[in-house]
Amino acid sequence: EVQLQQSGAELVRPGALVKLSCKASGFNIKDYYMHWVKQRPEQGLEWIGWIDPENGNTIYDPKFQGKASITADTSSNTAYLQLSSLTSEDTAVYYCAREGYGSSYNYWGQGTTLTVSS
Amino acid sequence: DVVVTQTPLSLPVSFGDQVSISCRSSQSLANSYGNTYLSWYLHKPGQSPQLLIYGISNRFSGVPDRFSGSGSGTDFTLKISTIKPEDLGMYYCLQGTHQYTFGGGTKLEIK
Repeated sequence: EVQLQQSGAELVRPGALVKLSCKASGFNIKDYYMHWVKQRPEQGLEWIGWIDPENGNTIYDPKFQGKASITADTSSNTAYLQLSSLTSEDTAVYYCAREGYGSSYNYWGQGTTLTVSS
Repeated sequence: DVVVTQTPLSLPVSFGDQVSISCRSSQSLANSYGNTYLSWYLHKPGQSPQLLIYGISNRFSGVPDRFSGSGSGTDFTLKISTIKPEDLGMYYCLQGTHQYTFGGGTKLEIK
């Protein structure tokens, strides 16, 4: 069974850095692009970027260049999203997702709630 | 950048209704190989989004046939026939031809 298990909720201070994880089971992440999506409170979904875990290549939405860094560890079958210089604008739920047919997202993690507050 | 516009923002329904949601792109979503990467998702409160339709009109595994997708180029439609209580929530389209962009969402809610 395909599953994406994300790390738990985070409460961090402004200006800090955080690294969220997304552990895959039921498939090898080397075989799929892995994406990250942001949803701010009462807002819609925003694409952050993707990684090809086989070679580490990444692409980001320009809005997240310099803010987000996506990595993957194929030995642990886990994708990561690191966010830096956190502000209240980064308070959101972050989802990882596996790319499927037709550049769609056929499997999603349960989401990680990030709260940035002093 | 590709802008994806969904309408309406809100769609009050009664159970048993048939409705359509529109998704329009600022650029054609057909690539040079003739493939069009447009998908639809339902996002219920407290849950992760779930894939309904990929490649304009292909239902994902387990999705009921009351959901159907159509369109081409820049104009796409999700149709839901015979709405049931479990269909309520936010609907999003996603273009994956020019990197990725979500539509703003349509809230399907009870009248």
